[in-house]
Amino acid sequence: GAVVSQHPSWVICKSGTSVKIECRSLDFQATTMFWYRQFPKQSLMLMATSNEGSKATYEQGVEKDKFLINHASLTLSTLTVTSAHPEDSSFYICSARQIGEQYFGPGTRLTVT
Amino acid sequence: AQSVAQPEDQVNVAEGNPLTVKCTYSVSGNPYLFWYVQYPNRGLQFLLKYITGDNLVKGSYGFEAEFNKSQTSFHLKKPSALVSDSALYFCAVRLDTGFQKLVFGTGTRLLVSP
Repeated sequence: GAVVSQHPSWVICKSGTSVKIECRSLDFQATTMFWYRQFPKQSLMLMATSNEGSKATYEQGVEKDKFLINHASLTLSTLTVTSAHPEDSSFYICSARQIGEQYFGPGTRLTVT
Repeated sequence: AQSVAQPEDQVNVAEGNPLTVKCTYSVSGNPYLFWYVQYPNRGLQFLLKYITGDNLVKGSYGFEAEFNKSQTSFHLKKPSALVSDSALYFCAVRLDTGFQKLVFGTGTRLLVSP
């Protein structure tokens, strides 16, 4: 149980375009999901907390207009990187919270050329 | 502010030997501590957690961790390392307020040699 999926697992896009990453809780409902960013050989940096039916809460320094988060249902949150630039290239990981525990997705590798 | 520290970037150990990956924490109130493992290009897998109770916590894949309040440590241990244990290990503390966010340490790469 408590499986979280992400789609796509990897994506390459051109600079200036937008890309959407999906995070799904497959066998449970999650009112809260989290989005992390991980640079090579570094730790996870929390970007934002996504709450079903309300606006996301962004961490300090994260541009909310650039990283759009939508938590449209209890099993789906999406992260859209708008007007992507090469510096947005990173590994993006989501997690879904259930009864105080966080269950992590497998991650999405974004490369912006 | 609540935080965890992992003082070692990398730990090297020979297969069959015991391993320890260190973690110290700084929290106000009761600590909720976690260990996760990450394999290349993968998300995080939960290993174990300490919420309350017995100071020795047993987790997945033969790992265990010892909570030491006086030393504010939560070191990850395994009696006999396997080559397949080679991965990136993260210690984390869960905030007890708001959305119960996790704050991660910087990670320790474990390399188990044959």
